[in-house]
Amino acid sequence: GENVEQHPSTLSVQEGDSAVIKCTYSDSASNYFPWYKQELGKGPQLIIDIRSNVGEKKDQRIAVTLNKTAKHFSLHITETQPEDSAVYFCAALLGDSWGKLQFGAGTQVVVTP
Amino acid sequence: EPEVTQTPSHQVTQMGQEVILRCVPISNHLYFYWYRQILGQKVEFLVSFYNNEISEKSEIFDDQFSVERPDGSNFTLKIRSTKLEDSAMYFCASSPTSGRRDTQYFGPGTRLTVL
Repeated sequence: GENVEQHPSTLSVQEGDSAVIKCTYSDSASNYFPWYKQELGKGPQLIIDIRSNVGEKKDQRIAVTLNKTAKHFSLHITETQPEDSAVYFCAALLGDSWGKLQFGAGTQVVVTP
Repeated sequence: EPEVTQTPSHQVTQMGQEVILRCVPISNHLYFYWYRQILGQKVEFLVSFYNNEISEKSEIFDDQFSVERPDGSNFTLKIRSTKLEDSAMYFCASSPTSGRRDTQYFGPGTRLTVL
């Protein structure tokens, strides 16, 4: 089955700096890769996603890149702000799956003013 | 903006008791999911549900678990005889019927504590 590895587990950045979180997946049939942000006491919130026919996608300060050959994808947050502090999860969906997202272990991002 | 809602936010139960966790998916979504997250561990897929049938389930989703859509708005997860290891955060999710079927929107979760 699919296995998703996520690094780093914690990330501390100064406000205004960039943050990068990396994930790898094992199953080449995976074709959909969402990123979720989870704040304390809340459910995962979808912030951006990318499909396997695209190499990069950007939404304001957030971007995701996908390298299908290497089976890894990354989340980039630019100009970080204190409200970006949260746990971020990557996930991968198998091509023949009925919605079974396989999640990474999460990255605790702390943005210090 | 439409949201997935879940009740209760926290459920405490005794081992061996039955619990029902409730979810109201986003209206006009027809694909539904349950996930769980044991403290300090990954979010794990339990089950997907479409057209009043289970579409896929994980090894975790054994005979003690069941799902139901009792009416046009609710989606429930039942655990028949809870075990200590069922203590976790349970998330419901839903996704649109067409186009971006794989885009899942999560609820705030129900924290289940089994004593």
